[in-house]
Amino acid sequence: EAGVVQSPRYKIIEKKQPVAFWCNPISGHNTLYWYLQNLGQGPELLIRYENEEAVDDSQLPKDRFSAERLKGVDSTLKIQPAELGDSAVYLCASSLSLVTNEQFFGPGTRLTVL
Amino acid sequence: AQSVTQPDIHITVSEGASLELRCNYSYGATPYLFWYVQSPGQGLQLLLKYFSGDTLVQGIKGFEAEFKRSQSSFNLRKPSVHWSDAAEYFCAVGAQAGTALIFGKGTTLSVSS
Repeated sequence: EAGVVQSPRYKIIEKKQPVAFWCNPISGHNTLYWYLQNLGQGPELLIRYENEEAVDDSQLPKDRFSAERLKGVDSTLKIQPAELGDSAVYLCASSLSLVTNEQFFGPGTRLTVL
Repeated sequence: AQSVTQPDIHITVSEGASLELRCNYSYGATPYLFWYVQSPGQGLQLLLKYFSGDTLVQGIKGFEAEFKRSQSSFNLRKPSVHWSDAAEYFCAVGAQAGTALIFGKGTTLSVSS
């Protein structure tokens, strides 16, 4: 069974530039999460989707961050414009929410903003 | 509010020695508890989980954890550490299925020869 796929794995951009991250969850997992992991910290939720609906986006900085999950499968997280403080690892996870809260994580995208 | 505390930022253990990583949580109801491991440049891999039932749970790679409700703890143990166990370990707590996990800040494990 394929795991959670994320791309790109690494991204380096200049501040004020836009950037996008892509996530493909495990097949059949209806819940998708985007987490932010700063250096030396545990992951923190940015947004959670149930199918195509964003059910928890309270921690998403909506002035510069946006996300979508078209057709309830793949998801894209965008930052525009990026700031120096956005340098972090962006993790995508998925779960089969009707069963357990066991979440499966992708390898993450490491963003560096210069 | 839900929270997870991992008191030890960094632990060094000799190869072959036993290991215990501490985790304390704050949660209003019976929590779902998890331990994840993260190697450099990698995502998080689930080691084990507790939902209900037997309070001693077995996981992958020879790890186990014990849920102690009275102490609000979920400590991770391994009887004999291998050099490949060097990594970052995260304890997490969650509510019912489909909700976000709350993570601790992690414990970095180094293994000396």
